[in-house]
Amino acid sequence: AQSVTQPDIHITVSEGASLELRCNYSYGATPYLFWYVQSPGQGLQLLLKYFSGDTLVQGIKGFEAEFKRSQSSFNLRKPSVHWSDAAEYFCAVGAGNSGNTPLVFGKGTRLSVIA
Amino acid sequence: EADIYQTPRYLVIGTGKKITLECSQTMGHDKMYWYQQDPGMELHLIHYSYGVNSTEKGDLSSESTVSRIRTEHFPLTLESARPSHTSQYLCASRSREHSYEQYFGPGTRLTVT
Repeated sequence: AQSVTQPDIHITVSEGASLELRCNYSYGATPYLFWYVQSPGQGLQLLLKYFSGDTLVQGIKGFEAEFKRSQSSFNLRKPSVHWSDAAEYFCAVGAGNSGNTPLVFGKGTRLSVIA
Repeated sequence: EADIYQTPRYLVIGTGKKITLECSQTMGHDKMYWYQQDPGMELHLIHYSYGVNSTEKGDLSSESTVSRIRTEHFPLTLESARPSHTSQYLCASRSREHSYEQYFGPGTRLTVT
C-alpha cells in the first residue's frame, strides 16, 4: 500500500526567500505523484504532477518539484515566495496502474509568509 | 479549470436533522470521492465510487451514506446530524482520460448545533 510523509507540519519563510516543502512516499512501483495547494475554506487545487519522464516537473504559480526515486522523494520548490503563497500544501501518491486505488494524501504542510 | 460543484457551500443545521450534500461534475469522470477535513487538518477519505452503482467506504468510518445513480452526481447523506459531524466535506473526481488528475470541489462547511 502507498503512504506519504510530509515531515514539516508548519514552515515560515520571508517573502522573496526560496521555499522547499518535503514529501516522501512509499510505493513498490512507479507512482503517480501530485502536489496540491489549499487556501483557507477552499478546495484543493492541483499545482503539478509527475507520471513519468523528466524528473523535474513545472507547475502553476512558479512551483516545481523533483522526483528522486533513490530517495523516494518528491519535494516542492519555489525560488521566490510571494505573500499569496501562504496556504496548506498537500503531497499525494497514486498507484501507477489502473487508477482505481484512491490517492493517498500526506497530512499537509502549512506555509506562512512573513514580510 | 475543474468543473466540479458542491452545494450548499455553508450549512448550519440542528441536531437530528437529515441532510444531503450535493456534488456534481461535468467532466464525465468515472471515479468520485468524498473527504472529511477539519480546519487546517489532514484529509480523511470517507466514501468513493468507481462508477455508476459502485460505492465503497473509505479509510475513516463515517455515519454518512452515498449513492451513485448517475455518472455526474455523487450525493452524501446524513440521516441524523450530530455536532460531531461538524466539519468541511470535500468532493473530488478523476479519470484515466484526464491522466488521473484529481479535481476537487470548493467544499461544504457543515455546522451542526
